[in-house]
Amino acid sequence: DQQVKQNSPSLSVQEGRISILNCDYTNSMFDYFLWYKKYPAEGPTFLISISSIKDKNEDGRFTVFLNKSAKHLSLHIVPSQPGDSAVYFCAGDSGTYKYIFGTGTRLKVLA
Amino acid sequence: DGGITQSPKYLFRKEGQNVTLSCEQNLNHDAMYWYRQDPGQGLRLIYYSQIVNDFQKGDIAEGYSVSREKKESFPLTVTSAQKNPTAFYLCASSRAKATEAFFGQGTRLTVV
Repeated sequence: DQQVKQNSPSLSVQEGRISILNCDYTNSMFDYFLWYKKYPAEGPTFLISISSIKDKNEDGRFTVFLNKSAKHLSLHIVPSQPGDSAVYFCAGDSGTYKYIFGTGTRLKVLA
Repeated sequence: DGGITQSPKYLFRKEGQNVTLSCEQNLNHDAMYWYRQDPGQGLRLIYYSQIVNDFQKGDIAEGYSVSREKKESFPLTVTSAQKNPTAFYLCASSRAKATEAFFGQGTRLTVV
């Protein structure tokens, strides 16, 4: 049972435009969500998180939106830069120390 | 310079041999984790530990074992019982629940 789903394996965006990465979850016990960025052969780097008591969290060019009724979250990157090209993972946590990750979306920002 | 150190970065082993992957953190985090990544798949949780001398199975614990004798160390042993051990292994730690986890640089294990 895949509790966190990233249904788009890849996404291409022009430099300067908005990148929107989506994530759906099935576990209604998740109360904390995270986004990570990962380059090949490296460990993931934390980007931004959101608690389930909020519907939006912003940090510089990165904004995460949470729609609890739809069990959906999205990561917006504005403006997109070539250095943003990487694989992005979303993860959910139900307060049990078990971070459950999605399968990732590969973002390519075209110069 | 605080962080998580995984060693070695690349590891080769013969089929049937046990191998231990090292993970050390100096972030003073209570919780530590082991994940596995396969091509086209996300990060799957192998084991996690909330505190010293305690650990729990994750979603794919079969064929793996861990220990948590010290706060800063969480070694993972890949045993010969693991059917598909070739993968990229990631160690992480977190300060508490509902906080971000920090990852090491990973160990790529290849079993031949």
